[in-house]
Amino acid sequence: GAGVSQSPSNKVTEKGKDVELRCDPISGHTALYWYRQSLGQGLEFLIYFQGNSAPDKSGLPSDRFSAERTGGSVSTLTIQRTQQEDSAVYLCASSLAASPYEQYFGPGTRLTVT
Amino acid sequence: GQQLNQSPQSMFIQEGEDVSMNCTSSSIFNTWLWYKQDPGEGPVLLIALYKAGELTSNGRLTAQFGITRKDSFLNISASIPSDVGIYFCAGLSGANSKLTFGKGITLSVRP
Repeated sequence: GAGVSQSPSNKVTEKGKDVELRCDPISGHTALYWYRQSLGQGLEFLIYFQGNSAPDKSGLPSDRFSAERTGGSVSTLTIQRTQQEDSAVYLCASSLAASPYEQYFGPGTRLTVT
Repeated sequence: GQQLNQSPQSMFIQEGEDVSMNCTSSSIFNTWLWYKQDPGEGPVLLIALYKAGELTSNGRLTAQFGITRKDSFLNISASIPSDVGIYFCAGLSGANSKLTFGKGITLSVRP
């Protein structure tokens, strides 16, 4: 079956512009996660959606970052007024609620802020 | 916050050799996971460990959940070129579903 997909695969933007990154989770997975991976670093948790519950936003680094998940499926991560330090690979993962550790990752979106 | 320590940052081995990677933490985790990431891809789950002392194998991979619940190791036997990639450990603690990741070890395999 189809895995987690993300778009775009690469995004280059100018400092100060807003960007939207999209994630399509695996069908039937109720949990969705966003992570950020900077060069040479591990994955940094950003936000977690589980079903209709309020999202866990505790990992968002600033109020310029926000995410939504419409209809319990597709999610969009928005970064407003991008800064150069936002440059990273943004990874999305999904899982069944009963198996939160078995997270399936998408290929990521590589964001470059110039 | 919780941190997972992986070192060294890079490892270089000869094809056919075994390699072992450690992951340590000052915090207790209830589940330990090992992921591999190929270039341009997201991490893929290799092995999940759920009980202290558990030893689990997946083909040429073997991983153990330390009895203190503060460490884990991954062993790759008879390495092959496609083992090249970044190996991350991750831990899950408490009732939340947020994984804490180590910074990863980049493995290179010389043919």
